[in-house]
Amino acid sequence: AQSVTQPDIHITVSEGASLELRCNYSYGATPYLFWYVQSPGQGLQLLLKYFSGDTLVQGIKGFEAEFKRSQSSFNLRKPSVHWSDAAEYFCAVAPGYSSASKIIFGSGTRLSIRP
Amino acid sequence: NAGVTQTPKFRVLKTGQSMTLLCAQDMNHEYMYWYRQDPGMGLRLIHYSVGEGTTAKGEVPDGYNVSRLKKQNFLLGLESAAPSQTSVYFCASSYGYWWQANPSNQPQHFGDGTRLSIL
Repeated sequence: AQSVTQPDIHITVSEGASLELRCNYSYGATPYLFWYVQSPGQGLQLLLKYFSGDTLVQGIKGFEAEFKRSQSSFNLRKPSVHWSDAAEYFCAVAPGYSSASKIIFGSGTRLSIRP
Repeated sequence: NAGVTQTPKFRVLKTGQSMTLLCAQDMNHEYMYWYRQDPGMGLRLIHYSVGEGTTAKGEVPDGYNVSRLKKQNFLLGLESAAPSQTSVYFCASSYGYWWQANPSNQPQHFGDGTRLSIL
């Protein structure tokens, strides 16, 4: 069965510092991979997605993620965080064959920004 | 363009009471989903629908029922609320085979959630 692991429950970084959020997935074939962000009291917003091709994908708000098949990872990065990046981040996976568009979410990483 | 709208936004129930959460989308999406979000557990799929008049169980369907009488609406019902159902509920919608139709499509569009407390 597919699964997604986000090993960090909570991360605090200083404003202006770089950020990397970890995500590992379990799936037999190449899945579709996503990162979502959830601001307090809001729904989920898609940051970026990976289907195939270039393993480094660019997203909105200056985020990027790199797909590494050998490590079954899809880590999210940002070179310099802003206070507005404080939110919860979810990594997710969807099997490519499914028409039902079911997505499996990780448990989330809460990001706090230190002034 | 409202996207996905959930009503109500907040609700407090007593154990044993019933209620219905409404999700409405105006994007003509075929697929709709109900999730619950609990601390440390991410989002878990309760039920989903791949078209008007169809529903299917997700990961955590027990204690919930759903209906999709109209394409744009997906209702989530709690017949006899229990404290374990205290959660934030999210509705989402999507095209079927969204990545084939247009890879730039979002896989799912989410509402802003309904915070439900069962006392």
